[in-house]
Amino acid sequence: VTLLEQNPRWRLVPRGQAVNLRCILKNSQYPWMSWYQQDLQKQLQWLFTLRSPGDKEVKSLPGADYLATRVTDTELRLQVANMSQGRTLYCTCSAEQGANQDTQYFGPGTRLLVL
Amino acid sequence: GQQVQQSPSSLVLQEGENAELQCNFSSTATQLQWFYQSPGGSLVSLLSNPSGTKHTGRLTSTTVTKERRSSLHISSSQTTDSGTYLCAPSTGGNNKLTFGQGTVLSVIP
Repeated sequence: VTLLEQNPRWRLVPRGQAVNLRCILKNSQYPWMSWYQQDLQKQLQWLFTLRSPGDKEVKSLPGADYLATRVTDTELRLQVANMSQGRTLYCTCSAEQGANQDTQYFGPGTRLLVL
Repeated sequence: GQQVQQSPSSLVLQEGENAELQCNFSSTATQLQWFYQSPGGSLVSLLSNPSGTKHTGRLTSTTVTKERRSSLHISSSQTTDSGTYLCAPSTGGNNKLTFGQGTVLSVIP
């Protein structure tokens, strides 16, 4: 049974345009949801963990700005903006039962290609 | 912050051979997971093993917490095992996994 759904699986992003990604949780027993990102040929990097509806966080990293929102108990969103031209970025969400020491499960991810 | 080193960076095996992957990390970890990353990027959780030895199928993980290292043993490798294997410890109090660069495994017939 799939725990996390992410759509679309890939997107072409015109330079200068922001993109909004959604992560849908199919089992509310895994409420600790996180976003991770990965540049091509580099390590996966944790971005945010948001537990409760209404939680929001922002982060600026080299090559992109991120805004994460926990919309509901079952939906997590990520807005990615100001991406560098030519960049290939993979964004994936995860879910975990507790705050730590549990197994994290990941969604299929979305691959972004900036034109 | 947590630093993770995986070795070897790549490994080529004949089908049927065993693989031994290593993971060393710089800070005490309260959780450690091994993942398989498909060529498309999706992560599959293989084992959660913060300490001791765990088995599932052809996989065995041994984590020595005090020495901040973990290993993943794949027995009787198959061509479908080809891909990237990632080690990810986390430190107590948060959900943040820190990933290594991975070991790229290629199993040839």
